[in-house]
Amino acid sequence: EIVLTQSPGTLSLSPGERATLSCRASHSVGINYFSWYQQKPGQAPRPLIYATSTRATGIPERFSGSGSGTDFTLTISRVEPEDFAVYYCQQYGLSYTFGQGTKLEIK
Amino acid sequence: QVQLQESGPVMVKPSETLSLTCGVSGDSISSNHWWNWVRQTPGKGLEWIGEAHHSGTVNYNPSLKSRVTISLDKSNNQFSLKLTSMTAADTAVYYCARSTVTIVYFDSWGQGTRVTVSS
Repeated sequence: EIVLTQSPGTLSLSPGERATLSCRASHSVGINYFSWYQQKPGQAPRPLIYATSTRATGIPERFSGSGSGTDFTLTISRVEPEDFAVYYCQQYGLSYTFGQGTKLEIK
Repeated sequence: QVQLQESGPVMVKPSETLSLTCGVSGDSISSNHWWNWVRQTPGKGLEWIGEAHHSGTVNYNPSLKSRVTISLDKSNNQFSLKLTSMTAADTAVYYCARSTVTIVYFDSWGQGTRVTVSS
């Protein structure tokens, strides 16, 4: 099983700042098989980025994804008030696994 | 667009079998997608349970494989999850989700249903 480790656990930022979230995999992941999700309290995860860098339907341009191999990054260029949430990375190898999440909170 | 809705018991007793159903609208169970179950617990976070395709192929998380069955009901356009020998560790929010064959991610999710294991 590929283990995904996200950092930091919590990121405290003010609206308008840049957010950089990291996800490290225990083994190499194909770029077509890496995704990011946003989850707000009481809601299901919402797809943000798939295939490492492609925004899902309706996702604003301020969200971008990058990376390869074992290191992947989600960047929010300028954090908006509605972006404060928990973010999860996910990979598909022989099985799906998720990271433990990064909480983006208001500073 | 596709909508998924979970249904089933909110509580089961230890050692019992959990049965959940996911109703699908806006897409056909027979389309070229995988139909998945994912659960979320405070301790283990998001955990993929398994997936099924209309071709008859099913894949399960190795850690749960011995207890899981996912099946498709084409006549009612829904799919189901059965998880046997439930314990407190299986207390979670259970989500159904759709994933694509070519771009491997969960593009649509149900709202989730909370299941508690308690006597």
